Amino acid sequence: EVRLVESGGGLVQPGGSLRLSCVVSDFTFSSHWMTWVRQAAGKGLEWVANIKGDGSEKYSADSVKGRFTISRDNAKNSLYLQMNSLRVEDTGVYYCATNGLPWAFDIWGQGTMVTVSS
Amino acid sequence: QSALTQPPSVSGSPGQSVTISCTGTSSDVGSYNRVSWYQQPPGTAPKLIIYEVSNRPSGVPDRFSGSKSGITASLTISGLQAEDEADYYCKSFTTGSTSYVFGTGTKVTVL
Repeated sequence: EVRLVESGGGLVQPGGSLRLSCVVSDFTFSSHWMTWVRQAAGKGLEWVANIKGDGSEKYSADSVKGRFTISRDNAKNSLYLQMNSLRVEDTGVYYCATNGLPWAFDIWGQGTMVTVSS
Repeated sequence: QSALTQPPSVSGSPGQSVTISCTGTSSDVGSYNRVSWYQQPPGTAPKLIIYEVSNRPSGVPDRFSGSKSGITASLTISGLQAEDEADYYCKSFTTGSTSYVFGTGTKVTVL
């Protein structure tokens, strides 16, 4: 059974940095795009960034461009999100998800909470 | 990139059918059959229930069905059950500076 486990969330002051990690098990990790999605409390889902299986292509939402960087380590079956210059509006639950089906996020992690507050 | 438009809420009695609309633009829903739907019960992670407009992943009941016409995609839940009570989100691939855009979300209530 495919399993995704996120970590790295926490409380950080505005302007600070955090690095989220997502470890994926029982999945042909290097063959698939991976994605980060976030959700503010009581709000909807927002796509954040995605990365191709070999890491050669990356895309991110306008709201995080220039501040967040997605990366991966296929040897460790791990996905990362480096978040810099954090803002209060970046607060929320961050999910990683596999892109195992065409244009869809088929398996999700349980999420990790990021709180940006002074 | 603006979110796709969904009704805030829909409701129905057990056994009835409900349909959720998802309206986009010619840059997303209207251009690609790359629409998917996600179910999110309270306090849980989203779950994929429809991909590529009308395909169901393994294990998803055939009570869930999807379709698309022009810039509007739709999710229909037939034979509504209490366990279907959740938030539902559509998502589409999009051109421009971003890759994907989600819908605003719809809360389904089983009366």
